[in-house]
Amino acid sequence: EVQLVESGGGLVQPGGSLRLSCAVSGFTFSTYAMSWVRQAPGKGLEWVSIISNSGDTTSNADSVKGRFTVSRDNSNNTLYLLMSSLRAEDTAVYYCAKDVRASIYTSGHFDYWGQGTLVTVSS
Amino acid sequence: SYVLTQPPSVSVAPGQTARITCGGDNIGSRNVHWYQQKPGRAPSLLMYYDSERPSGVPGRFSGSNSGNTATLTISWVEAGDEADYYCQVSESSSDHPRIFGGGTKLTVL
Repeated sequence: EVQLVESGGGLVQPGGSLRLSCAVSGFTFSTYAMSWVRQAPGKGLEWVSIISNSGDTTSNADSVKGRFTVSRDNSNNTLYLLMSSLRAEDTAVYYCAKDVRASIYTSGHFDYWGQGTLVTVSS
Repeated sequence: SYVLTQPPSVSVAPGQTARITCGGDNIGSRNVHWYQQKPGRAPSLLMYYDSERPSGVPGRFSGSNSGNTATLTISWVEAGDEADYYCQVSESSSDHPRIFGGGTKLTVL
């Protein structure tokens, strides 16, 4: 059974940092690209970051470029999102999602999602 | 970057057919994928490559894609279909490899 379990969310002050983790099981993690997708309260889905299967290629949405860094540890089946210089508008549930492709630059979609972890940026 | 446009809401009576559109420039040349998100739950894959259903998705759900509009069709709508629906495409050669539409809330009257 495929499982994606996010952790690391919580309350953080504006300007602060937080690292999210996504522990996966049930599939060969190193074969697939992975993404972070967020959803602000009452809003739609927003793709945030993607990393290739090997970790050598990444891309970030304009809204988080220069502030968020996606990485992965294929030996421990874990995806990470390091978030810095956090703003109120980064408040959202953050989901990790498994891509059906290895490369971030081929057409793909998300076949499995975690349950999400809530990040609240507030003083 | 590429923009996907969905109606914010669609309402339909039980047993009727709901059609949720996803508009984009020449979207018919792209693969479109759909996700369903029920209240308080994570999204789940509902349709991929325009009209392919993952195992477990009822045949009442179908998809099409042509020209500037992709459409998710739900036949014989049930109360349990009430959810938010999102379309998604890829931009292979850009800084935004995965793009979502704004989402459509389906209300079953």
